[in-house]
Amino acid sequence: SQTIHQWPATLVQPVGSPLSLECTVEGTSNPNLYWYRQAAGRGLQLLFYSVGIGQISSEVPQNLSASRPQDRQFILSSKKLLLSDSGFYLCAWSVLGGARDTQYFGPGTRLTVL
Amino acid sequence: GESVGLHLPTLSVQEGDNSIINCAYSNSASDYFIWYKQESGKGPQFIIDIRSNMDKRQGQRVTVLLNKTVKHLSLQIAATQPGDSAVYFCAETPTSGTYKYIFGTGTRLKVLA
Repeated sequence: SQTIHQWPATLVQPVGSPLSLECTVEGTSNPNLYWYRQAAGRGLQLLFYSVGIGQISSEVPQNLSASRPQDRQFILSSKKLLLSDSGFYLCAWSVLGGARDTQYFGPGTRLTVL
Repeated sequence: GESVGLHLPTLSVQEGDNSIINCAYSNSASDYFIWYKQESGKGPQFIIDIRSNMDKRQGQRVTVLLNKTVKHLSLQIAATQPGDSAVYFCAETPTSGTYKYIFGTGTRLKVLA
């Protein structure tokens, strides 16, 4: 069965510091991968998605970037964090080309920027 | 713009009663709909899905109903339990060619003992 991991689970970082969040998927090959941000009491905002190694699409202009160095690894980064980067970051995967393309989410990373 | 929304931000239900959570969508071309459950501090968990060629689908204690005429989606939970307390949100996805989901903001379900 497929599993998705995110780490760290929680993170507190000062403004201006760098960021690296990691997501890995097990039990599937060539998945679509997604990064979302969820602000408190609000819906999910798609940040990036990837259909393959090195292929990244950005949905929202922002202070963040994403990379996919391996088939089942997706990384969210920032060179300098802003206060507004605080939130709950979720990684998700789906089967490439599936007719229903159901997205399954990881456990999330709670980021607090102080 | 196109959106998926929920009628009630908070729903309180007595334990053992049935719960109904509603969702309206605006994209008549949407082909696939999903309900997720999100407990506090956790990632969303897939509950049940439905394609646009169906109007009802049942799972274990849950039923999703789709009314394409009025663009309405609902999630019914039978015999609601304390463990059902969470935020529930719907998502829609247009027909093939896009990987983008449109998510609702969510309804909080509170189960009263």
